[in-house]
Amino acid sequence: GAVVSQHPSRVICKSGTSVKIECRSLDFQATTMFWYRQFPKQSLMLMATSNEGSKATYEQGVEKDKFLINHASLTLSTLTVTSAHPEDSSFYICSASGVPGAKNIQYFGAGTRLSVL
Amino acid sequence: AQSVTQPDIHITVSEGASLELRCNYSYGATPYLFWYVQSPGQGLQLLLKYFSGDTLVQGIKGFEAEFKRSQSSFNLRKPSVHWSDAAEYFCAVVTTNAGGTSYGKLTFGQGTILTVHP
Repeated sequence: GAVVSQHPSRVICKSGTSVKIECRSLDFQATTMFWYRQFPKQSLMLMATSNEGSKATYEQGVEKDKFLINHASLTLSTLTVTSAHPEDSSFYICSASGVPGAKNIQYFGAGTRLSVL
Repeated sequence: AQSVTQPDIHITVSEGASLELRCNYSYGATPYLFWYVQSPGQGLQLLLKYFSGDTLVQGIKGFEAEFKRSQSSFNLRKPSVHWSDAAEYFCAVVTTNAGGTSYGKLTFGQGTILTVHP
C-alpha cells in the first residue's frame, strides 16, 4: 500500500519550453503533496507544499511563476516548469501524505530527471 | 528551527559486517524521526520511523534505529549488511509547532552514501 507514481521518469526539453510532471497517489487519498528538488550529491530541498483544492505554499526563494503547482484532486498533483532553462535541470521528486493513521508519513515517487538543453 | 545532521558523508563496509549510520537532530520538542533510503536515480523509500513509545524501532530490510533523547540522536543500524543495501540514506524530522502539531514538512539531513564491498 501507499504507492506514489511519478511521471515521466525522465524528460529532455529545449530551453524556453514548459514541462509538466505528474504525481499520483495510487491507493490512498493524498491530502497533502510535496515537491522537492535534488541537486547531484545533495539532499532534498523542499520547493512547495500543496493541499487539495487550495493554492500551493512555496518555500522561500522558489519562484511560484516558474514552478506552477496544481493539486486538483486528492490523488493528483502536477508541477509545471515554465520556460525551462538549463539551470532548471535537476531531479524533481514528489511525495504525498494522508494515509489514515499515518498523516505524518510522506510516501515518495520515483522522481523525474529533467534535462534542459 | 529544526535541523538534522548526518556526520558521515560516505561509509564503506564489507558485506556481512555490521553497520551504524549516525543522525543527530536539533529540536525543542519530541521529534517525529524517519530514515529513508534512496537508490541511484530513484525516489525515497521509508525504512522506519519513530513517533513515540519504544525507543528502539524496527524497520524493513532488517534495519533498526534507536532514539536517544539525551544525545539527540537517531542512529540507524543493521547487524549484517548485504550488497543490495548499497544506497544513500537520509535521516529526517517532521516540522511541528510548539504545541506538537505537525506542519507535515520534512527536514532532511545531508545524506550518507553507503558502499558495500564484497
